[in-house]
Amino acid sequence: EAAVTQSPRNKVAVTGGKVTLSCNQTNNHNNMYWYRQDTGHGLRLIHYSYGAGSTEKGDIPDGYKASRPSQENFSLILELATPSQTSVYFCASGDGGARDQDTQYFGPGTRLLVL
Amino acid sequence: GDSVTQTEGPVTLSEGTSLTVNCSYETKQYPTLFWYVQYPGEGPQLLFKVPKANEKGSNRGFEATYNKEATSFHLQKASVQESDSAVYYCALATNSAGNKLTFGIGTRVLVRP
Repeated sequence: EAAVTQSPRNKVAVTGGKVTLSCNQTNNHNNMYWYRQDTGHGLRLIHYSYGAGSTEKGDIPDGYKASRPSQENFSLILELATPSQTSVYFCASGDGGARDQDTQYFGPGTRLLVL
Repeated sequence: GDSVTQTEGPVTLSEGTSLTVNCSYETKQYPTLFWYVQYPGEGPQLLFKVPKANEKGSNRGFEATYNKEATSFHLQKASVQESDSAVYYCALATNSAGNKLTFGIGTRVLVRP
């Protein structure tokens, strides 16, 4: 069974503080993704990775960094958190099918509130 | 760039009735189309995907046909159950974009007993 876990599940941060969201997958998938989910916008891609040591910018990368230190772990870093980054964040791993047929497996999400 | 437009929710219906969630897409490429479902408190999960035009995908009683001429991929179910209450996302991926998915805004479906 595919398994993607995220921590923490809930986080309250202060404006200007640093926030790190962690993701772990036991699927041995090469591809990993970070999305944010907001009403009226659906899921939007922030950063993604094709393997350990690699990170790529997604559609909305401003204000976020990513780190992929190993096959299993992919972190999203907010160096200076702002209230506009209040959202639900989802991590996913991809099974690396044909370039346009990757099936993505999502974690349960992290709810972030920036005050 | 690529875009996906789907029915605005919430869609509220009674058990045993039929469901249609419209999805239209725009891309200059030849996409693979996906439907994902998100149950309360969970992350999205794949319902099914269709890589080829004029083919149908199906799972759990849901189905959608990849209509290349109309650039549509409408989700249908003949008889919904309360357990189908969820948010449904239409998405596409293109070869030029690698494995990146472009999602619609999601459609919340509420099924009343």
